[in-house]
Amino acid sequence: GQNIDQPTEMTATEGAIVQINCTYQTSGFNGLFWYQQHAGEAPTFLSYNVLDGLEEKGRFSSFLSRSKGYSYLLLKELQMKDSASYLCAVRERWNTDKLIFGTGTRLQVFP
Amino acid sequence: DAGITQSPRHKVTETGTPVTLRCHQTENHRYMYWYRQDPGHGLRLIHYSYGVKDTDKGEVSDGYSVSRSKTEDFLLTLESATSSQTSVYFCAVSGTQETQYFGPGTRLLVL
Repeated sequence: GQNIDQPTEMTATEGAIVQINCTYQTSGFNGLFWYQQHAGEAPTFLSYNVLDGLEEKGRFSSFLSRSKGYSYLLLKELQMKDSASYLCAVRERWNTDKLIFGTGTRLQVFP
Repeated sequence: DAGITQSPRHKVTETGTPVTLRCHQTENHRYMYWYRQDPGHGLRLIHYSYGVKDTDKGEVSDGYSVSRSKTEDFLLTLESATSSQTSVYFCAVSGTQETQYFGPGTRLLVL
């Protein structure tokens, strides 16, 4: 079956580093996406990994290990505006753009 | 914002009433999707479209129908709304093997 697991909630302090993990078990794999969603707003795209390794984009980095079915999103130099939910999603097959989403991790950043 | 609009943005309706939600895009994306988002469930795919008049079911399609008569419009219809369909509905678009981008969402309350 399909299963994507993320922690439900995390807290961190402004200026710190936080790592949000995502593990997946799907029938196929053709890429993993991370989205950010502020309360009451739409999800916005953060990062995409299809090959193993680390993708860095400013303060945000995302890592993928396909053999372990594991990804993480690393947020550095946390700011108050990073308080949001972070959604992990997997695209199962190359010939469809359908995504399977985890339930999301709600991150609260405190001063 | 990938040129996506959703209408209405908010709607309150009564059980048994038909409801149609509209998603409109301006950038000629091939794929369009309807998701619902509920606490504890994350984003779940209702229906999707891979071209004009080409649609298929997602994981939670019961009670919903869709139509796509033009590239730019994807309609979601609740034939007879039920309280279990109270949710936030997001439309998304993508090109082939591309990232999905989300519209602003519609908050639907079924009384």
